[in-house]
Amino acid sequence: KAGVTQTPRYLIKTRGQQVTLSCSPISGHRSVSWYQQTPGQGLQFLFEYFSETQRNKGNFPGRFSGRQFSNSRSEMNVSTLELGDSALYLCASSLAGASNQPQHFGDGTRLSIL
Amino acid sequence: KQEVTQIPAALSVPEGENLVLNCSFTDSAIYNLQWFRQDPGKGLTSLLLIQSSQREQTSGRLNASLDKSSGRSTLYIAASQPGDSATYLCAVTRDYGGSQGNLIFGKGTKLSVKP
Repeated sequence: KAGVTQTPRYLIKTRGQQVTLSCSPISGHRSVSWYQQTPGQGLQFLFEYFSETQRNKGNFPGRFSGRQFSNSRSEMNVSTLELGDSALYLCASSLAGASNQPQHFGDGTRLSIL
Repeated sequence: KQEVTQIPAALSVPEGENLVLNCSFTDSAIYNLQWFRQDPGKGLTSLLLIQSSQREQTSGRLNASLDKSSGRSTLYIAASQPGDSATYLCAVTRDYGGSQGNLIFGKGTKLSVKP
């Protein structure tokens, strides 16, 4: 069974640009969550999507947005990029609902802002 | 606000040693607790998940315990091997109205096992 797939693996952008990251969850998983990992702040929750609806949101500015499609694939968009947005962005999928199943992570997209 | 702390931040041990990694959390209203492993440049691999009603979980050489009342969890690694070298992360899941919410992570313990 294929794991969580994130594309692209690496991205280099400049300040002010916008970027879209993609995540394909494990087959059958309906919940997709996004996390930002930086050396200083560690792993921080961005948002969670379930059945195409944002169910939960972390404490990030509105420049960070996402969506989920009917096949559970999810995209994350960051507009007006800042140097501080340089990070590893991780996607996790799970069965969701009243489930005690673990969350499964992809290998992430490494975003570098110049 | 839930906060997760992991001590120590880094640990170096010789091969074959048994070791314990510590995790503490401030709010006992959790849905579950998960231990992950992260290798350099990679995503997270789930090692063990302990439901809030459980006290421990075991997988091979790994044993994780949970004490909700004291807000603590430990990950015990038996007979450590160089391949165990990685960063180990503890995360708790909020009880989101009876279902699983987002993960709240500690900063991790970087483990180095020397041959």
